[in-house]
Amino acid sequence: AQSVTQPDIHITVSEGASLELRCNYSYGATPYLFWYVQSPGQGLQLLLKYFSGDTLVQGIKGFEAEFKRSQSSFNLRKPSVHWSDAAEYFCAVGVVPSNDYKLSFGAGTTVTVRA
Amino acid sequence: GAVVSQHPSWVICKSGTSVKIECRSLDFQATTMFWYRQFPKQSLMLMATSNEGSKATYEQGVEKDKFLINHASLTLSTLTVTSAHPEDSSFYICSARGQGFNSPLHFGNGTRLTVT
Repeated sequence: AQSVTQPDIHITVSEGASLELRCNYSYGATPYLFWYVQSPGQGLQLLLKYFSGDTLVQGIKGFEAEFKRSQSSFNLRKPSVHWSDAAEYFCAVGVVPSNDYKLSFGAGTTVTVRA
Repeated sequence: GAVVSQHPSWVICKSGTSVKIECRSLDFQATTMFWYRQFPKQSLMLMATSNEGSKATYEQGVEKDKFLINHASLTLSTLTVTSAHPEDSSFYICSARGQGFNSPLHFGNGTRLTVT
């Protein structure tokens, strides 16, 4: 079964600084990888996803992520953080798209942005 | 873009009563919907997968008689928490997937259930 590890529970970053959130996955085949963001009391918004092709994926809100098969990682990055980026971030891995399309989520990383 | 509407956004009920949560896909047909539960400061745990017109598939450890799921149409799935207890208090989130091989998942904004 697939699983996701987000090693950092909480990250604090200054506004304007760069941000990197780590994600490691375990899956026997080519993974389908996702990053979601959740604001307090809200659902999840998809930031970006990787299915195949270019291993550097561009997403919304200035985020990007790089798939590294050798490291089983899919780290999320943003060059310059804005105060509105403070939220909970979840990495997820899915089985090959099928009727089930099940996702397994990491435990999440809380991002705090200080002025 | 595709929108999933979840209703209500929050609900408080008394112990022993039942609560129904609706999940609607507003501008696409959702062949598959998923129900997740999220405890405070924790990740989402998949509860069940529902396909339109068939019985839901529950994850291990989820009581199907406790959490009734109905997916009667391509735009609506409901989760009913029966005989709710305080330990059922949680944040419930639905997601919906349209037709097509690579159709993405769209999440609702969640329902905060508090059982008193």
